[in-house]
Amino acid sequence: DQQVKQNSPSLSVQEGRISILNCDYTNSMFDYFLWYKKYPAEGPTFLISISSIKDKNEDGRFTVFLNKSAKHLSLHIVPSQPGDSAVYFCAALEGADGLTFGKGTHLIIQP
Amino acid sequence: NAGVMQNPRHLVRRRGQEARLRCSPMKGHSHVYWYRQLPEEGLKFMVYLQKENIIDESGMPKERFSAEFPKEGPSILRIQQVVRGDSAAYFCASSPNLSGANVLTFGAGSRLTVL
Repeated sequence: DQQVKQNSPSLSVQEGRISILNCDYTNSMFDYFLWYKKYPAEGPTFLISISSIKDKNEDGRFTVFLNKSAKHLSLHIVPSQPGDSAVYFCAALEGADGLTFGKGTHLIIQP
Repeated sequence: NAGVMQNPRHLVRRRGQEARLRCSPMKGHSHVYWYRQLPEEGLKFMVYLQKENIIDESGMPKERFSAEFPKEGPSILRIQQVVRGDSAAYFCASSPNLSGANVLTFGAGSRLTVL
């Protein structure tokens, strides 16, 4: 049973436009959410996070939104750049447990 | 300041052989996590260790898999009698402390192929 779901395996966005990556979760005990970015043949790198007590966190071109009632979060990237092409993993944390990851969304930025 | 170092980057084993994957955490980090990524899947938590202690191994298969993080040296993930289904990318991550699970730094991964 997947507790963190990323239902879009891939997403194609034109350079300069907004990229919106979605993530749903089922475990209401998750208290911290993170987004990781992964290039081929590299490990995931931390991108941005949000505590469950907040509904928005912004860092430069990246903004994460959390809707706790819907158990949904999203990552907005604006404007999208070619270097943003990567696989993006949504992850959730409950207490001090290990992270629970979604399957990832492959973002492709087209020139 | 080197990041999380994993080796080997690629490992090929025949069915029934043993695989040993090593992970050296970031300097100053005393907590190590192992994750496995199967093809077309996300990363799945396997085990969480501190020096000489296994804190949480709820994600580890019950048989053939073991992990250690000795007082000296890297953390080792050991898979005995490998089967084709063990083929995956194994990622190690480290954090500075217990509450640092939300600031994991990942290594580049070790890709295991079982023939």
